[in-house]
Amino acid sequence: QKEVEQDPGPLSVPEGAIVSLNCTYSNSAFQYFMWYRQYSRKGPELLMYTYSSGNKEDGRFTAQVDKSSKYISLFIRDSQPSDSATYLCAMSAKGGGNKLTFGTGTQLKVEL
Amino acid sequence: DGGITQSPKYLFRKEGQNVTLSCEQNLNHDAMYWYRQDPGQGLRLIYYSQIVNDFQKGDIAEGYSVSREKKESFPLTVTSAQKNPTAFYLCASSIGSGTTGQYFGAGTRLSVL
Repeated sequence: QKEVEQDPGPLSVPEGAIVSLNCTYSNSAFQYFMWYRQYSRKGPELLMYTYSSGNKEDGRFTAQVDKSSKYISLFIRDSQPSDSATYLCAMSAKGGGNKLTFGTGTQLKVEL
Repeated sequence: DGGITQSPKYLFRKEGQNVTLSCEQNLNHDAMYWYRQDPGQGLRLIYYSQIVNDFQKGDIAEGYSVSREKKESFPLTVTSAQKNPTAFYLCASSIGSGTTGQYFGAGTRLSVL
C-alpha cells in the first residue's frame, strides 16, 4: 500500500464548477501538506501549503486538512479551462528532513 | 527573474554512456533536489542536498550521482549503471527543510537511443 493515495482521474467538469481533489495518507507523522499543479510536459507549480489541520484559502483555491481522517482536499471554485492540469498532493513529516512524499496526481479537465 | 533553470530540455543517451543534467537556481535557496517522474508513479526522490559539498541519497539513488560545489548548482549524472533511465527528471529547491514547499524547474526529458 502506498503512503499517499490519490485518484488518478481523469476528472472532467464543466466550466464554472466547483472541483474537489483529494488525497488520503497512512503516515500519521505527516504534518506539512502541499498541492502542486502540473501542466503537460512542465514542472510542478506550488499552489498552496498548509501545516497540520484546518483550512487555507488563496483566491479560488481552498486547501483543507483533516488529520484525524488522514485526508486532505483541494477545492477549486469557478473552475476555468486554464485549470486543466494534473494536481499533485505532497506531504512531509516534522523532523523528516527534506523528504516530500507525493501522490501520483489527479488529471483534471475543465470543459467549455 | 528568480527561478530554477534545467537544461537541456530533451536529452538522448546511448547505451553505456553517462549523461549530465544541469540545474541552476538563483533563488538563494539552501536545499536542492532531484526527482524522477514516470507515468503513474508520481515523483521519486533521487538525491538531495541541504548545503554545499553535502548530499544524501533519496529513494532511488542507484545508477545516479550528484555534486554540489556551488550553492546555485546541483548537476545530476545518469550513469551507465542506470538500466532504465528513460523518464522526466525534475530539479527543485527550497528554503531550509522545505516545509513551506519545494520549487521546481521545467524538467529534462531523457530518452535512450
